Amino acid sequence: SAVISQKPSRDICQRGTSLTIQCQVDSQVTMMFWYRQQPGQSLTLIATANQGSEATYESGFVIDKFPISRPNLTFSTLTVSNMSPEDSSIYLCSVADRGNYGYTFGSGTRLTVV
Amino acid sequence: DQQVKQNSPSLSVQEGRISILNCDYTNSMFDYFLWYKKYPAEGPTFLISISSIKDKNEDGRFTVFLNKSAKHLSLHIVPSQPGDSAVYFCAASAGGSYIPTFGRGTSLIVHP
Repeated sequence: SAVISQKPSRDICQRGTSLTIQCQVDSQVTMMFWYRQQPGQSLTLIATANQGSEATYESGFVIDKFPISRPNLTFSTLTVSNMSPEDSSIYLCSVADRGNYGYTFGSGTRLTVV
Repeated sequence: DQQVKQNSPSLSVQEGRISILNCDYTNSMFDYFLWYKKYPAEGPTFLISISSIKDKNEDGRFTVFLNKSAKHLSLHIVPSQPGDSAVYFCAASAGGSYIPTFGRGTSLIVHP
């Protein structure tokens, strides 16, 4: 399985500011995925990040709020923009593991907006 | 509307006994089901999966059962160990998609 390094692991941010989360994969992958887990909720897909093209966003998520970069096949960033307390969540990046149709996840970023 | 439901937010089991975690789904197009385990401050890790052409898949202490007619699956852990204490997520995908839909998770506590 791929190994994903995600940072920061946690942050406390002021409302109205932005935070960029980084994920580095130890192998080249075509697609990377960004998830959000709000307290007591399931993992919700935010967007799929493809190298060389615009990210594909799920319903309820927009590029202005969650801009994504994918400069190469091993790296991606997710920015949470103009944050409010409602953005307090765990954010996770992941890649598909073709061996078992499962996912490999990063360790997550626990974001608290105050 | 949740397509994958884990109705028990928590479960407490004694070490050595069986843990049974349940999951229900509503989308009849789902044909692949997965269980993930998540420790605090870590990302979810893949545990076991099952295709809709099977009704059981076993891997060591972990067995997943699928009842398609009831749209229900369960994860059995036998025997349960304190290290199994974690949040368990049920997930389902359709048509070979790599993008699963997750449940809200069940927090399992295995006490000595």
